[in-house]
Amino acid sequence: QKEVEQNSGPLSVPEGAIASLNCTYSDRVSQSFFWYRQYSGKSPELIMSIYSNGDKEDGRFTAQLNKASQYVSLLIRDSQPSDSATYLCAATQGGSEKLVFGKGMKLTVNP
Amino acid sequence: GAGVSQSPSNKVTEKGKDVELRCDPISGHTALYWYRQRLGQGLEFLIYFQGNSAPDKSGLPSDRFSAERTGESVSTLTIQRTQQEDSAVYLCASSAQGRSSYNEQFFGPGTRLTVL
Repeated sequence: QKEVEQNSGPLSVPEGAIASLNCTYSDRVSQSFFWYRQYSGKSPELIMSIYSNGDKEDGRFTAQLNKASQYVSLLIRDSQPSDSATYLCAATQGGSEKLVFGKGMKLTVNP
Repeated sequence: GAGVSQSPSNKVTEKGKDVELRCDPISGHTALYWYRQRLGQGLEFLIYFQGNSAPDKSGLPSDRFSAERTGESVSTLTIQRTQQEDSAVYLCASSAQGRSSYNEQFFGPGTRLTVL
């Protein structure tokens, strides 16, 4: 199993819907998880970090971490066309400070 | 405050030439990272600096790649005798390690390297 696995999608949702992005991870990563948004031709932008089991909300974004099932998810409520981007799940590799990334999920929000 | 900056933004070089890529981290950030993103691919870790030391160089793909950091600030990634497979976007990130940041890494705009 790869350290961080992410369904590569793509995912298409209508404007105003909830977009759900998921990521699973192996025992080789530690317990710090991050979601980055990457617009085409741009660098990744950190949008959420989560370290504890449960939910963390920030505006329209909610990150969920389930350590027992080894998955982390990102929910985007009231999706907007401006949310259209590739979303990258990342985790700190166990024993290291580097981030390991999933392959990314391309999200398109249709007006 | 100012974010991570990188220069140049674009670099086109001929195969076999050496290139230097520069990264200026966020002021006060003690940790600095280099990643690479090939077209349509995920991000690959290259090297990590804590202060001026590099405790993790495990991602450097070959001995043609080297990096240094001085003054606990600017870092330079050098690629010698460039090959076409080195073409990628090179991304630098920094984090305020040792503080309450849990290693949140913030990325610069990247340098797009094209080797002809």
